[in-house]
Amino acid sequence: QKEVEQNSGPLSVPEGAIASLNCTYSDRVSQSFFWYRQYSGKSPELIMSIYSNGDKEDGRFTAQLNKASQYVSLLIRDSQPSDSATYLCAVPFYNFNKFYFGSGTKLNVKP
Amino acid sequence: DVKVTQSSRYLVKRTGEKVFLECVQDMDHENMFWYRQDPGLGLRLIYFSYDVKMKEKGDIPEGYSVSREKKERFSLILESASTNQTSMYLCASSPLGYEQYFGPGTRLTVT
Repeated sequence: QKEVEQNSGPLSVPEGAIASLNCTYSDRVSQSFFWYRQYSGKSPELIMSIYSNGDKEDGRFTAQLNKASQYVSLLIRDSQPSDSATYLCAVPFYNFNKFYFGSGTKLNVKP
Repeated sequence: DVKVTQSSRYLVKRTGEKVFLECVQDMDHENMFWYRQDPGLGLRLIYFSYDVKMKEKGDIPEGYSVSREKKERFSLILESASTNQTSMYLCASSPLGYEQYFGPGTRLTVT
């Protein structure tokens, strides 16, 4: 079992719809969780961090965390073609020095 | 803003050459990381450093070495480049326990 698992996609949504990206992790003691966006040929860019159970909203992005189910998700409201990218979920190792990255979910937003 | 810079965006080297990739961060972060990213394999950690002159192997250290003589600079060395080291190399830095920030990446081709 991988430490961080994501559906590789591609996930296709129409412009204006809500895109829902999911991530599960295996380390029960993980306390912080991060979402990165990576455009083709570019490096990952941090877009959200979440540390507590529940929802965290930042503009069109909402991160949701459920530690009991070891599940973290990213919702993108009013999806735009510019949101088309690969989204990576990241979870720090127990000593916070290393991160586990999921393999990423490719999102396509169709105009 | 956090800034992580890498010495080259594109690099072409010959098999057997010694290759140096340099990374500099300007935020006084303790941790620095080197990853490689290949299609279908995701981000793989090569080495990381949690302090000056301190380093730990990641998941795929074979064929690589690193150097961290100053806090802001972390170098990746390919002792004798091989074609299977053709990849995108990504440097990242982070304060202890928090999110990683990535440089723009170096696309290395070994012929």
